[in-house]
Amino acid sequence: EAGVTQFPSHSVIEKGQTVTLRCDPISGHDNLYWYRRVMGKEIKFLLHFVKESKQDESGMPNNRFLAERTGGTYSTLKVQPAELEDSGVYFCASSLQSTGNSPLHFGNGTRLTVT
Amino acid sequence: DAKTTQPNSMESNEEEPVHLPCNHSTISGTDYIHWYRQLPSQGPEYVIHGLTSNVNNRMASLAIAEDRKSSTLILHRATLRDAAVYYCILRAPNTGTASKLTFGTGTRLQVTL
Repeated sequence: EAGVTQFPSHSVIEKGQTVTLRCDPISGHDNLYWYRRVMGKEIKFLLHFVKESKQDESGMPNNRFLAERTGGTYSTLKVQPAELEDSGVYFCASSLQSTGNSPLHFGNGTRLTVT
Repeated sequence: DAKTTQPNSMESNEEEPVHLPCNHSTISGTDYIHWYRQLPSQGPEYVIHGLTSNVNNRMASLAIAEDRKSSTLILHRATLRDAAVYYCILRAPNTGTASKLTFGTGTRLQVTL
């Protein structure tokens, strides 16, 4: 079974540019999550999809971030325009259910560097 | 969110057992106790979870105190590949906004020869 895959693994962009990160969850997992770790900080929740619907987007930092999951399969996270403080590692995770006893499976992340 | 407290770091010798403690004195009666670990340059990896009873799987064992205010992750024979940051996280049972994981700073485990 393929795990959660994220693309690209690294991205270096200039301030003001746009970047789109992609996440392919484990097949059959309706729940998809985005997290990020910025330099020196803890891993923080961004948002949660159930199929194509946003269940919880309380962690999205501002309106420069747009997450989509059209068709309820893969998801994209777009940052536009990127700022220096957006640098960090963005993780995607998926789970079969969103109940407390359902583990999350994480991808290896996309390392974003904004210069 | 109910919080957890873990030591910042621990050391172990290879092939010895490791006991990673976690305190969660404000746990609610229905919160699950999850453990994840993050190896260098990888995403977090699920290790184990439990509710009230002790749990075993191929990776580790989870010992939960009777009052559920603390738990211990047990690696029976540490290897160099177990060197990672280990996170103890409480997860509410319900769906919705409570289902997200809240990561703390975790315990950095060093394994030496």
